[in-house]
Amino acid sequence: DIQMTQSPSSLSASVGDRVTITCRTSQGISNYLAWYQQKPGKAPKLLISGASTLLSGVPSRFSGSGSGTDFTLTISSLQPEDVATYYCQRYYSAPLSFGGGTKVEIK
Amino acid sequence: EVQLLQSGGGLVQPGGSLRLSCAASGFTFDSYAMSWVRQAPGKGLEWLSTISGSGRNTDSADSVKGRLTISRDNSKDTLYLQLDSLRVEDTATYYCAKLRGFSYGYPKDCWGQGTLVTVSS
Repeated sequence: DIQMTQSPSSLSASVGDRVTITCRTSQGISNYLAWYQQKPGKAPKLLISGASTLLSGVPSRFSGSGSGTDFTLTISSLQPEDVATYYCQRYYSAPLSFGGGTKVEIK
Repeated sequence: EVQLLQSGGGLVQPGGSLRLSCAASGFTFDSYAMSWVRQAPGKGLEWLSTISGSGRNTDSADSVKGRLTISRDNSKDTLYLQLDSLRVEDTATYYCAKLRGFSYGYPKDCWGQGTLVTVSS
């Protein structure tokens, strides 16, 4: 099975900071990678598909990049409402594994 | 508006079974694959199973294979999950989710509200 490694597992940053989360896969997955945001007590929300395509309604401060085995989610200017846990997921073929998650907090 | 409304769950004894339902509205249900995902308390997301729009193709995680049955009734726009031989470690919030396409190769763009299943004697 393809392993998904997300880093860091948590981070604390100030409002306005640039935040970068990394997702690495043990085998190449082309661009079949999604990023989800999960706020406490809520269901996950799809932010990015195809590694870099922002879903409609998602603030433009979020961006995704990468292909193959290395992927990045960037928040260009962290806002208080971005406090959440972020997950990557591969989705081309089963098992449709998630990364371990990155908890983002405000310093 | 796309909506997924989950029902079922609650307290279940070890060794028992659970059946969850996920009623869909706001989209053409049989045109989209559906999944179940769970989250143990304080833990990350775990993909459990996916079923194609027609219901003919399914796949499940090794951790639940043999105990989990995913099914759908396209005439009722409803997705189901049955999990047998429950263990304490099956305690989690269970989510249904809609994929963006007919088969597996799409991300999940709409999620149910989640339902807590507690396995305990």
